[in-house]
Amino acid sequence: NAGVTQTPKFQVLKTGQSMTLQCAQDMNHNSMYWYRQDPGMGLRLIYYSASEGTTDKGEVPNGYNVSRLNKREFSLRLESAAPSQTSVYFCASSEIVFSEAFFGQGTRLTVV
Amino acid sequence: KQEVTQIPAALSVPEGENLVLNCSFTDSAIYNLQWFRQDPGKGLTSLLLIQSSQREQTSGRLNASLDKSSGRSTLYIAASQPGDSATYLCAIYSGGGADGLTFGKGTHLIIQP
Repeated sequence: NAGVTQTPKFQVLKTGQSMTLQCAQDMNHNSMYWYRQDPGMGLRLIYYSASEGTTDKGEVPNGYNVSRLNKREFSLRLESAAPSQTSVYFCASSEIVFSEAFFGQGTRLTVV
Repeated sequence: KQEVTQIPAALSVPEGENLVLNCSFTDSAIYNLQWFRQDPGKGLTSLLLIQSSQREQTSGRLNASLDKSSGRSTLYIAASQPGDSATYLCAIYSGGGADGLTFGKGTHLIIQP
């Protein structure tokens, strides 16, 4: 089993460009999450999807949109990238919202 | 709002020592607490999950305890090895408005050979 798979692993964007980060899980989990990790700030929740068909804002949702494409896939979109969105982005999944969480390997994004 | 603090921020010990990493939280109304390991440039690996009704969990050389009333958890690592070198993160699921984990900033652990 691959667990949680994120693509791409690395990306450099220019300010104002858009991109979509992809996440897929093969554990038949209901809940999926997007976090960002910044030095000195720890991991913070951007958006989550408690179950297929639902999405909700987390702590830092501004500048992002999400789509729960199906039970397996949860994408994160940056419509107009800003340098403040330079970060490492992690996707995670869990069977239900308060069960054990499993993380992907991360996407390192630099906005110049 | 739940806040999670991990002390110390960094720790360096010789191989073979037993050690304790600390995690404290401000709101005792939690569903569970999870300990993760993160290697440089990698994702998070789940180590142990403690439900709010549990006092401790064990996996191999790792033992995690939970004291909700005092807002504390500890991760005990027995007979440390150089391969244990990593950043250890404590995270809490409290429920409420934003359904995700609240993370501490981690303890960066170095085990000297």
